[in-house]
Amino acid sequence: GAGVSQTPSNKVTEKGKYVELRCDPISGHTALYWYRQSLGQGPEFLIYFQGTGAADDSGLPNDRFFAVRPEGSVSTLKIQRTERGDSAVYLCASSKSSKNEQFFGPGTRLTVL
Amino acid sequence: AQRVTQPEKLLSVFKGAPVELKCNYSYSGSPELFWYVQYSRQRLQLLLRHISRESIKGFTADLNKGETSFHLKKPFAQEEDSAMYYCALSGYSGNTPLVFGKGTRLSVIA
Repeated sequence: GAGVSQTPSNKVTEKGKYVELRCDPISGHTALYWYRQSLGQGPEFLIYFQGTGAADDSGLPNDRFFAVRPEGSVSTLKIQRTERGDSAVYLCASSKSSKNEQFFGPGTRLTVL
Repeated sequence: AQRVTQPEKLLSVFKGAPVELKCNYSYSGSPELFWYVQYSRQRLQLLLRHISRESIKGFTADLNKGETSFHLKKPFAQEEDSAMYYCALSGYSGNTPLVFGKGTRLSVIA
């Protein structure tokens, strides 16, 4: 079956621009997670959704970052006024519930020039 | 504070040699521990979790609460084991995200 998909696979933008990153979870998975992976680091948690609501957004680094999941399926991570330090691979994962195995997408590589 | 430490960035072993990837953690409570693997040009995937007590692809990992460790072991390394390995933890209470270590790159030399 289809796994977690993320679009775009690569995104190059200029400092100060706005970007949106999309995640399509596995059908029926209620939990959805966003992580950010910088070069040489492990994935770092950003935000977690249970259904449509953000259950935990403690990992969002500042108010330039925002994520939504309006219908409890697809999620969009939005970054305003991008900075060069935002350059990283943004990973999305989903699971049947918060206690089950997380299945990861291929990631979106964001480069801010 | 929750923290996962993988002391080795790179581990090189010869094919057929034993492998041990180290993982130590810090967590106030009872965590659930995982090993995730990322093969070249593939996405991150779960290798094993301590509550399952399984052996996957010949790998095992035992949770040592006294030493707060969850080392990954395999008695005989294969070339196809070459990959990036991440140790991770989450809380048992649910609704907690994964906390990852920085990862160890395993290179198995023929």
